[in-house]
Amino acid sequence: NAGVTQTPKFQVLKTGQSMTLQCAQDMNHNSMYWYRQDPGMGLRLIYYSASEGTTDKGEVPNGYNVSRLNKREFSLRLESAAPSQTSVYFCASSGGRPGDIQYFGAGTRLSVL
Amino acid sequence: SQKIEQNSEALNIQEGKTATLTCNYTNYSPAYLQWYRQDPGRGPVFLLLIRENEKEKRKERLKVTFDTTLKQSLFHITASQPADSATYLCALYSNSGYALNFGKGTSLLVTP
Repeated sequence: NAGVTQTPKFQVLKTGQSMTLQCAQDMNHNSMYWYRQDPGMGLRLIYYSASEGTTDKGEVPNGYNVSRLNKREFSLRLESAAPSQTSVYFCASSGGRPGDIQYFGAGTRLSVL
Repeated sequence: SQKIEQNSEALNIQEGKTATLTCNYTNYSPAYLQWYRQDPGRGPVFLLLIRENEKEKRKERLKVTFDTTLKQSLFHITASQPADSATYLCALYSNSGYALNFGKGTSLLVTP
């Protein structure tokens, strides 16, 4: 009963470094999502994948890339990290039907110095 | 632009009272509205979903109303307990149907 698993849980980067956040779900869900959460800003959608093989931009996609590796896995890449990308990142998944609820991972806390 | 607005101020209530949280939205035509709970350091957890043709939905001590004319949902917790202290998020799917957008959440503190 793992649900949505995110790695790593914590990460500290220097400005300009790159990294990939990993997300995997074991619920056979079609849709997967990446959000960032900042104090006072709430959850903001970065990218989503409605189904395997497709990805679309959300509200705040600049500075990020994503890969839907297969049905289970959806990764988020920061090519050149900036201090403005310091945040908590959440991955989520859902069945992909209208109104489906989302299941969230525990989050990755990223600091960019 | 599409907006989901929740009270930014924290709500402090006494144990045993009813907590009422508000969610207002603009430029959405939602078929569904969802409420989530988030505890510090954790991801959001789904609580309730209400459909556009439902006026009210209940689950144990939780009650949600949905008024598509007022473009508003109210979330009630009756007989509140300190364990109900958390941030509560309102969420709506975008008109495309795939992206779930969240309000900023309202922090609830229930004191003994």
